[in-house]
Amino acid sequence: EAQVTQNPRYLITVTGKKLTVTCSQNMNHEYMSWYRQDPGRGLRQIYYSMNVEVTDKGDVPEGYKVSRKEKRNFPLILESPSPNQTSLYFCASSFRPSTNSPLHFGNGTRLTVT
Amino acid sequence: GENVEQHPSTLSVQEGDSAVIKCTYSDSASNYFPWYKQELGKGPQLIIDIRSNVGEKKDQRIAVTLNKTAKHFSLHITETQPEDSAVYFCAALQVGPYSGGSNYKLTFGKGTLLTVNP
Repeated sequence: EAQVTQNPRYLITVTGKKLTVTCSQNMNHEYMSWYRQDPGRGLRQIYYSMNVEVTDKGDVPEGYKVSRKEKRNFPLILESPSPNQTSLYFCASSFRPSTNSPLHFGNGTRLTVT
Repeated sequence: GENVEQHPSTLSVQEGDSAVIKCTYSDSASNYFPWYKQELGKGPQLIIDIRSNVGEKKDQRIAVTLNKTAKHFSLHITETQPEDSAVYFCAALQVGPYSGGSNYKLTFGKGTLLTVNP
């Protein structure tokens, strides 16, 4: 089954403790992206990757890192999480997000930073 | 950058009625407009999309209309059913150079919580 898999689904951590949220897709997609979803603010792009070893900042990259060493994986790294990073995070992928290649989303990771 | 406004933020209808959600965008270069449905505990899922060279597209009970001149597009759901209850997001696609590279950037509206009452 074609899918984007994120882990974990839920994560509670403390300020400053490094964490990684994994994302994997099995559709051989070139494009991958991370979004955060906050009440009343919709989905905002954190980072994206056009292909292996090609990453760039989205709208809200501060406090996050990503890497794209393999085509299928795109982990999101929080080196020193802070409470304002408490949010619902989504990973998404596509060949290219166009009418012929829609964006596929994972089921989300709910992160709480205390 | 692109700005997408979505209205209303909440919408409650009776089963069988129609529901309309409207979005406006700011960047006239945007040329692809998808709509996503997000059910509780899940990620957004594409339900319909439209390109800028088309004015209307329909898929069973769902239709999308686009007015490029006015820079607005709308989602129409007819004969609503309780399973249509969800959060709906509109988005606009921009393709261009960003931060020294290029990006296919989808800018999302803030979402509409649709409730269909049985």
